[in-house]
Amino acid sequence: QKEVEQDPGPLSVPEGAIVSLNCTYSNSAFQYFMWYRQYSRKGPELLMYTYSSGNKEDGRFTAQVDKSSKYISLFIRDSQPSDSATYLCAMSASGGSYIPTFGRGTSLIVHP
Amino acid sequence: DSGVTQTPKHLITATGQRVTLRCSPRSGDLSVYWYQQSLDQGLQFLIQYYNGEERAKGNILERFSAQQFPDLHSELNLSSLELGDSALYFCASSDISAPYNEQFFGPGTRLTVL
Repeated sequence: QKEVEQDPGPLSVPEGAIVSLNCTYSNSAFQYFMWYRQYSRKGPELLMYTYSSGNKEDGRFTAQVDKSSKYISLFIRDSQPSDSATYLCAMSASGGSYIPTFGRGTSLIVHP
Repeated sequence: DSGVTQTPKHLITATGQRVTLRCSPRSGDLSVYWYQQSLDQGLQFLIQYYNGEERAKGNILERFSAQQFPDLHSELNLSSLELGDSALYFCASSDISAPYNEQFFGPGTRLTVL
């Protein structure tokens, strides 16, 4: 079993839909949870991060962490075609060099 | 633009050959990371350098090696290449003082081994 599991998709939704992207993990030492967005032929870029459990909102994006279930989510409201990309979850433990462990990424397609 | 540059963008070579990938980190970042991304494995951490010294090692094969130079640019050397080494190779840099360690990724080098 991989430390971080993420459904690769693709997930295809119409413009304006609410998108839910999820990851599960097995390492209870993870404290920092991140979502990266990767457009085609580009490197990943950090979208959001949260520390420990709880929610964090940034515009149309909301990140949720449920440490008791070892489950994290990214919600995208009013999705746009420009949101079409691969979304990678990443997580790291506190202390040490904070090297994140990445999920495989979920490919999201928002069609007009 | 993340500020991280990588060269070359594309590399096509044959099995058994050796290649060198180059990365320049963001201005001021002392830490450099190398990742391999393939369709079946996702983004795999290979190795980290901090201010010229190896800091952490991930799933890096013995045929692969890296170094970071005094001007902080880094090179990833891949030797005795196999078909399975075909992948995207990303370099990232960070300001290691940030606890969540936001990494800034370069555009990647696409390696094709024929």
